[in-house]
Amino acid sequence: EPEVTQTPSHQVTQMGQEVILRCVPISNHLYFYWYRQILGQKVEFLVSFYNNEISEKSEIFDDQFSVERPDGSNFTLKIRSTKLEDSAMYFCASTGAGGINEQFFGPGTRLTVL
Amino acid sequence: SQQGEEDPQALSIQEGENATMNCSYKTSINNLQWYRQNSGRGLVHLILIRSNEREKHSGRLRVTLDTSKKSSSLLITASRAADTASYFCARGGSNYKLTFGKGTLLTVNP
Repeated sequence: EPEVTQTPSHQVTQMGQEVILRCVPISNHLYFYWYRQILGQKVEFLVSFYNNEISEKSEIFDDQFSVERPDGSNFTLKIRSTKLEDSAMYFCASTGAGGINEQFFGPGTRLTVL
Repeated sequence: SQQGEEDPQALSIQEGENATMNCSYKTSINNLQWYRQNSGRGLVHLILIRSNEREKHSGRLRVTLDTSKKSSSLLITASRAADTASYFCARGGSNYKLTFGKGTLLTVNP
């Protein structure tokens, strides 16, 4: 069964460093998303991406964040200068045509900023 | 708040019993999706129910939706210890993003 994959599973970085989180969405999906979940809190929407551009972004998704689909399979989230409060589990998700169908999530990348 | 909000926050039952979790929301939805999350792990999609549907089944799972009350429920029948997890409802709006609630922590005791 097709699934969303994410790498790395765990990333540890120093405050102020740049990180890139990688995702491979399900191959025939067209809509891509990033969410995050701070430990013990609810899952929060960060950004949606369709047709090679951002469809919507939340207040969390400030200038320190960017997304890219560099090729036909990868979808990345970059945090330019990490802060302690960026420590969270980051989930990538994708949806098929129409965008109103099931969103399938990857296993997540746990980001720890020291 | 526009989020789905689940209740109870925590539920502890014995294996074999049924578990019912509820979700309420405040704004209109296109669909409502239920997910399971084992501790520290990813989100597993369970069921999607659209705004024009009232009930859906998948194996031991039954989801109902009452748009007039802006509420949904997830029923797990004949629970197993392996069902122990957090369960989230997520509201899907017209802009396709999902808005999650805080979840219900279900513990099924063997």
